[in-house]
Amino acid sequence: KQEVTQIPAALSVPEGENLVLNCSFTDSAIYNLQWFRQDPGKGLTSLLLIQSSQREQTSGRLNASLDKSSGRSTLYIAASQPGDSATYLCAVTMDSNYQLIWGAGTKLIIKP
Amino acid sequence: DTEVTQTPKHLVMGMTNKKSLKCEQHMGHRAMYWYKQKAKKPPELMFVYSYEKLSINESVPSRFSPECPNSSLLNLHLHALQPEDSALYLCASSQEGPFTYEQYFGPGTRLTVT
Repeated sequence: KQEVTQIPAALSVPEGENLVLNCSFTDSAIYNLQWFRQDPGKGLTSLLLIQSSQREQTSGRLNASLDKSSGRSTLYIAASQPGDSATYLCAVTMDSNYQLIWGAGTKLIIKP
Repeated sequence: DTEVTQTPKHLVMGMTNKKSLKCEQHMGHRAMYWYKQKAKKPPELMFVYSYEKLSINESVPSRFSPECPNSSLLNLHLHALQPEDSALYLCASSQEGPFTYEQYFGPGTRLTVT
């Protein structure tokens, strides 16, 4: 059974720092992996989607990498800003049944 | 237009009420999803519609009844809910589905059952 883990559960860093959020999964038979952002009480915003054949995707200050063989993905945020404060969730789509399995999220706080 | 809209934003209902949640997208997406999210938890899948047909029902109680009148609209009809059904209800859509393409989420409806 696929398990998706995000560590740490919470992270607080000063503004301007570069940071990395981690997502690990136990079953490498995935179709794709998505990173989402969620502000308190709001819906989810899709940040990046990486297909299983890809190694990384970039959007602005965000870069997501995928290493299927080791069951890991990282979300790199460059030059963090207070507006980046949110909960970041990763989710994998299974190859077998296309179910979406979610991590519990990392709550990120960027201090001005 | 990459927007998924949901109405209402907030809903308070008694356990004997009947209400509906509405979701709309105009991106030409052919897959639409309902999720339930409790505080500090990831979303839980409830239903998936693909080409206006129900393709996944995650053993959701019958007091939740989905409906897809056309390719742009998705409704969730609510009847005789329980207090534990209070949650944020999220709608999402994707180009095709289920799940193989990027999902776009709406802002959600915050439901409180009294």
